[in-house]
Amino acid sequence: DAGVIQSPRHEVTEMGQEVTLRCKPISGHDYLFWYRQTMMRGLELLIYFNNNVPIDDSGMPEDRFSAKMPNASFSTLKIQPSEPRDSAVYFCASSLAGAVNQPQHFGDGTRLSIL
Amino acid sequence: QQQVKQSPQSLIVQKGGISIINCAYENTAFDYFPWYQQFPGKGPALLIAIRPDVSEKKEGRFTISFNKSAKQFSLHIMDSQPGDSATYFCAAGNTGNQFYFGTGTSLTVIP
Repeated sequence: DAGVIQSPRHEVTEMGQEVTLRCKPISGHDYLFWYRQTMMRGLELLIYFNNNVPIDDSGMPEDRFSAKMPNASFSTLKIQPSEPRDSAVYFCASSLAGAVNQPQHFGDGTRLSIL
Repeated sequence: QQQVKQSPQSLIVQKGGISIINCAYENTAFDYFPWYQQFPGKGPALLIAIRPDVSEKKEGRFTISFNKSAKQFSLHIMDSQPGDSATYFCAAGNTGNQFYFGTGTSLTVIP
């Protein structure tokens, strides 16, 4: 089975540019999570969706960050304008609701560097 | 308020030794406690998980011990191997909902 697929794997861009990160969850999963990982703050939940609807975006750091999930198989996290402090590894994860013992399955992340 | 506290931040163990990582949680409504293993350049991957109705779960060399009254749980890695060197995260939450992650433990197993 295909896991969670994220693209791009690496992104290097200059401050002020728009950055779009993409995620394809595992087919059939109805929860999707976006995380940010840094050495200083560890793994932070940014936002999560249930059935394509945003449930909790309280972790989104600023209005520069936005996330969408137009359908069950695709989500984007956008940063506009980007800043050097946004440099981190961004993970997408998905899970299946309605069943016990269902963990979150993570993609391999996008390593973002803002110069 | 940090929902899950994890210690130690880093751990060095000799090959063949026992690695122990501890976590404590706040919310008694949590009903699912997974541990994730992360290698450099990869996403966290589920290692083992437990529900609060049991006190221990073992899968191979990995064991979770769970103390519901103390709101604590721990990961024990028996016969630690160099290939176990990774970062380990505990988490707590409710299935199909938000998980709260610990800050991670970097484990190094020395040959």
